[in-house]
Amino acid sequence: AQTVTQSQPEMSVQEAETVTLSCTYDTSESDYYLFWYKQPPSRQMILVIRQEAYKQQNATENRFSVNFQKAAKSFSLKISDSQLGDAAMYFCAYYRNEKLTFGTGTRLTIIP
Amino acid sequence: DAGVTQSPTHLIKTRGQQVTLRCSPKSGHDTVSWYQQALGQGPQFIFQYYEEEERQRGNFPDRFSGHQFPNYSSELNVNALLLGDSALYLCASSWYGTEANYGYTFGSGTRLTVV
Repeated sequence: AQTVTQSQPEMSVQEAETVTLSCTYDTSESDYYLFWYKQPPSRQMILVIRQEAYKQQNATENRFSVNFQKAAKSFSLKISDSQLGDAAMYFCAYYRNEKLTFGTGTRLTIIP
Repeated sequence: DAGVTQSPTHLIKTRGQQVTLRCSPKSGHDTVSWYQQALGQGPQFIFQYYEEEERQRGNFPDRFSGHQFPNYSSELNVNALLLGDSALYLCASSWYGTEANYGYTFGSGTRLTVV
């Protein structure tokens, strides 16, 4: 079974600084997708960024980028120029066969 | 463009009772998946419905059952409620068989409290 591990329960960063959230996963499959979701107090899961396992190039979405190391099964999220609105729970998720497997999440606090 | 709608938003039930949660998928989506998110945890996959059938199921007991209607909306039923069933229940919709690039759309969930 696939597992996703987020080893940082909480992180904090000064506004406008850069922060990196860590994620590792375990799978024996070669074709899958990886996602980072943001869950603010409104509870709705919001897709931040996605990465196809077959692509070597790291995905980027504005201030959000990932460092995807397939051999190491590592998938970290970097948030640049952190903003107050980035404060939320962040979940790393593995996707295959129409099913998501989530990590336990990292709570990100932005310090003004 | 309507997103995923879940009802009710909050619910309090007594141990042993039964509960039904409802989900309307995003317009154009035909697949509904249900997740349970316990406090302080990541969501866990319960099951998925497509073409009114359960297509796959996570590690949840038979007390958890579901249904999908011809209009693609879905219900999650939980029988004989336990205190441990207290959680946020998330519904997500998607278009079956598409590339993951299209991804899931999540609702805001139903917070179930069992007392």
